[in-house]
Amino acid sequence: DTGVSQDPRHKITKRGQNVTFRCDPISEHNRLYWYRQTLGQGPEFLTYFQNEAQLEKSRLLSDRFSAERPKGSFSTLEIQRTEQGDSAMYLCASSYGELFFGEGSRLTVL
Amino acid sequence: AQSVTQPDIHITVSEGASLELRCNYSYGATPYLFWYVQSPGQGLQLLLKYFSGDTLVQGIKGFEAEFKRSQSSFNLRKPSVHWSDAAEYFCAAGVGQFYFGTGTSLTVIP
Repeated sequence: DTGVSQDPRHKITKRGQNVTFRCDPISEHNRLYWYRQTLGQGPEFLTYFQNEAQLEKSRLLSDRFSAERPKGSFSTLEIQRTEQGDSAMYLCASSYGELFFGEGSRLTVL
Repeated sequence: AQSVTQPDIHITVSEGASLELRCNYSYGATPYLFWYVQSPGQGLQLLLKYFSGDTLVQGIKGFEAEFKRSQSSFNLRKPSVHWSDAAEYFCAAGVGQFYFGTGTSLTVIP
């Protein structure tokens, strides 16, 4: 088991472009979470899945954000029409109890 | 509304001194409770967790935490701090959906 992996690790994009992040959870974990973390802050909850069902979405997740977890395995987080305020570290975690985090995907919007 | 509060933004201790980091939560029922540590440029690592049972839980790296229901607290302690403990510490709470505090930055003076 290699833990939670996220791709890409870094993404630089221009304002208005779309970006997609991928998360591969620990294989036996049925829950998968997305968080956003900005400098000096704690992780902010965005959404989570149990298997393929999206159970909760934060109000932070505007209609420009969408997350999927087809077949209950990997997950993608897409941000459409990126804004400079979207610049942050996007963290994925999987769980069968406690959260196990990946290294994160850092987004910079120019 | 559910929330986690870490009252101390920054703490400085001398190496070898004891440490206590405070965490208070607001939740409808007793949530699962966690402490995570994050070193610069690194991912979040679980230090310890409380699900139920004994209110004093032991974690990795010599850390422990005590759950106090009456105070809605889950404070992290270490009897003797090492220079390598310098990092950002996050408390988290929840059931299904997990919320994080804003973190406490620990500086260790030689």
